[in-house]
Amino acid sequence: SAVISQKPSRDICQRGTSLTIQCQVDSQVTMMFWYRQQPGQSLTLIATANQGSEATYESGFVIDKFPISRPNLTFSTLTVSNMSPEDSSIYLCSVEASQIEQFFGPGTRLTVL
Amino acid sequence: GENVEQHPSTLSVQEGDSAVIKCTYSDSASNYFPWYKQELGKGPQLIIDIRSNVGEKKDQRIAVTLNKTAKHFSLHITETQPEDSAVYFCAAIPSNDYKLSFGAGTTVTVRA
Repeated sequence: SAVISQKPSRDICQRGTSLTIQCQVDSQVTMMFWYRQQPGQSLTLIATANQGSEATYESGFVIDKFPISRPNLTFSTLTVSNMSPEDSSIYLCSVEASQIEQFFGPGTRLTVL
Repeated sequence: GENVEQHPSTLSVQEGDSAVIKCTYSDSASNYFPWYKQELGKGPQLIIDIRSNVGEKKDQRIAVTLNKTAKHFSLHITETQPEDSAVYFCAAIPSNDYKLSFGAGTTVTVRA
């Protein structure tokens, strides 16, 4: 398995501002992912964070709104830009460890006022 | 793309009884089926998974079964305990992909 940490664990932000979420894993991994989990809902993949190249975004998510960095094989950031109350969600990073298994971080609980 | 349906959405069981959650998938190429448990305020935790070359897998009180012909798989929890109360998600990955497709989740409540 992999041990994943996220910062911050939670935040309350004003609309129009941006928040950068950090994800750190305790071992080098090729695949890192960012998910959004809206209140009481399932998980939706935002993008795949690729080391050394641009992230790959899923339908409905764009780089201007959710810029992602992946500077090395153990770290990634997701920025939620120009926030609105509709961005209030849990944001989760995950990594693919050996043999296709994916492990999740503890999540960042974001409230936008 | 893959579509995963999960039932029931909520499940309440008496402590000591069994709980069963069922999922169906649409893509016959899917070959990996994990189950996640998410407790309140935490991230999803991988609790068990099964690959398409296996029909059943057990880990203590948890078991998963897979029916490839019918394209459905199930999670079985026996001798439920209060700490089993959580939201459970099933998921699937097609063989030519790496992205998880999640079910809608099942909220399990174990009554003491």
